[in-house]
Amino acid sequence: EPEVTQTPSHQVTQMGQEVILRCVPISNHLYFYWYRQILGQKVEFLVSFYNNEISEKSEIFDDQFSVERPDGSNFTLKIRSTKLEDSAMYFCASSVRGQGRNYGYTFGSGTRLTVV
Amino acid sequence: RKEVEQDPGPFNVPEGATVAFNCTYSNSASQSFFWYRQDCRKEPKLLMSVYSSGNEDGRFTAQLNRASQYISLLIRDSKLSDSATYLCVVNEYRDDKIIFGKGTRLHILP
Repeated sequence: EPEVTQTPSHQVTQMGQEVILRCVPISNHLYFYWYRQILGQKVEFLVSFYNNEISEKSEIFDDQFSVERPDGSNFTLKIRSTKLEDSAMYFCASSVRGQGRNYGYTFGSGTRLTVV
Repeated sequence: RKEVEQDPGPFNVPEGATVAFNCTYSNSASQSFFWYRQDCRKEPKLLMSVYSSGNEDGRFTAQLNRASQYISLLIRDSKLSDSATYLCVVNEYRDDKIIFGKGTRLHILP
C-alpha cells in the first residue's frame, strides 16, 4: 500500500531555532497538506498546497511557517524561529481529488517536534 | 459554535457488543464526510468515507443525515483491536482542507 513518508520521526530543537520537516507524498497524488496535533488536542489544519503554490492556510500558519516542494517529490514545512508552543506532532498528508468528491487523505506517521 | 462536534467518551464497551458514535457538523455546505481512526500517538488512518446513501464495510456502517447535519458510525461485534479514537472529518469541496472533530475514545473490554 502506498505510503506518505515523513522524516525525522522526532526532532528536538531549541527555542528560536529553525526546523525543516520533510515529507514524501504518494507519487500520483497532487494535493499536499500539513496538519499538526498538540498532545491531547485535535488535529488542526495548517496549509494545503497544489500546483506548486499554497491553496489555503489557517491562522496558525503565520509568517514563521513556509512550505516548499523543492524537487517534485519532497514536500517540506519550515518553521523559521520555533516557539515552545510549536511543540506538537506534525502530520503531512496527500490526496487525490476526483471530480466532485474528495477521496480522503493519506497521512504520514508524523514528526514529533519538541521545542525546549 | 464548533465546526465538528463529537462526544469525547470514553466509551467502555465489552467485546462483541455493538457501539455507535454520532458527530454533528455546523457547515451545511460540507460535502465530503469521513471517519478516521487514530491509535495513541499515531497518525489518523482513513476508516471509511460516508456517502449520502449510507455505506457498510464489514462490521462498520456509516450514515449521513444532511437535514440534521450529523454522521454516525456503527461498529458491530466489536473486537479488542477496535480500541482507538474515532475522528469525524468533514470537507467542503471548494475548501481545500478537511476539518477534524476532537474524536471519540473507544475502549473494548475483554
